Amino acid sequence: EPEVTQTPSHQVTQMGQEVILRCVPISNHLYFYWYRQILGQKVEFLVSFYNNEISEKSEIFDDQFSVERPDGSNFTLKIRSTKLEDSAMYFCASMGTGVGYTFGSGTRLTVV
Amino acid sequence: AQSVTQLGSHVSVSEGALVLLRCNYSSSVPPYLFWYVQYPNQGLQLLLKYTTGATLVKGINGFEAEFKKSETSFHLTKPSAHMSDAAEYFCAVSGFGTYKYIFGTGTRLKVLA
Repeated sequence: EPEVTQTPSHQVTQMGQEVILRCVPISNHLYFYWYRQILGQKVEFLVSFYNNEISEKSEIFDDQFSVERPDGSNFTLKIRSTKLEDSAMYFCASMGTGVGYTFGSGTRLTVV
Repeated sequence: AQSVTQLGSHVSVSEGALVLLRCNYSSSVPPYLFWYVQYPNQGLQLLLKYTTGATLVKGINGFEAEFKKSETSFHLTKPSAHMSDAAEYFCAVSGFGTYKYIFGTGTRLKVLA
C-alpha cells in the first residue's frame, strides 16, 4: 500500500533555530497538507497546498511558517525561528482524486 | 463552518464488551466524516470514512459507524472489544469544496481484562 513518508521521525532544536520537516507524499496525489498535534491535544490543521500554491491556511500558520514543494516529490514545512510552543507532532498528509487523506507517521519536534 | 464534538475524553470497556465512541458534528456543507485511530507514539490510521451513499460504514478491525443526518452523529462501534483496541480515537469532518479536516478532541479507549 502506498505510504506518505516523513523525515526525521524526531527532531530536537534550540529555540530560535530554523527547522525543515520533510514529507514525501504518495506519487500521484495532488493535495498536500500539514497538521500538528501538541502533546495531549487534538490534531490541528496548518496548511493545504494544491497546484504549487497554498490553498488554505489556519491562523496558526503565521509568517514563521512556510511550505514548499521543491522538486515535485518532496513537500516541506519550514519553521523560521522556532519557539517553545512549536513543540508538537507534525503530520503530513496527501490526497488523490478520492476523498480522504493518507497521513504520514509524523515528526516529533521538540524545541528546547 | 464545521466542528466536531467527541463526548467522553476517556472510555473504559471490558474485553469482549461493546465499544461505543460518540461523535457529533456540525457542517454547513454535506459532510465527509472520518474515524482515525492513534496508537501511542504513532501516526493516524484511517479506520473508516463516510462520503456519500450507504450510511452504515464498515471499517478495519471490526469497527463500523453510522451516519445519522437527523442527529448529526457518526458514532463508532465495535461489538466486542479486544485488548489491542486500546488507543486514542479521533473523529474528523470535512466537506465538498473544503477538504481541510476538523478533528475532535479525541477519546482514549481503555480495555480492561
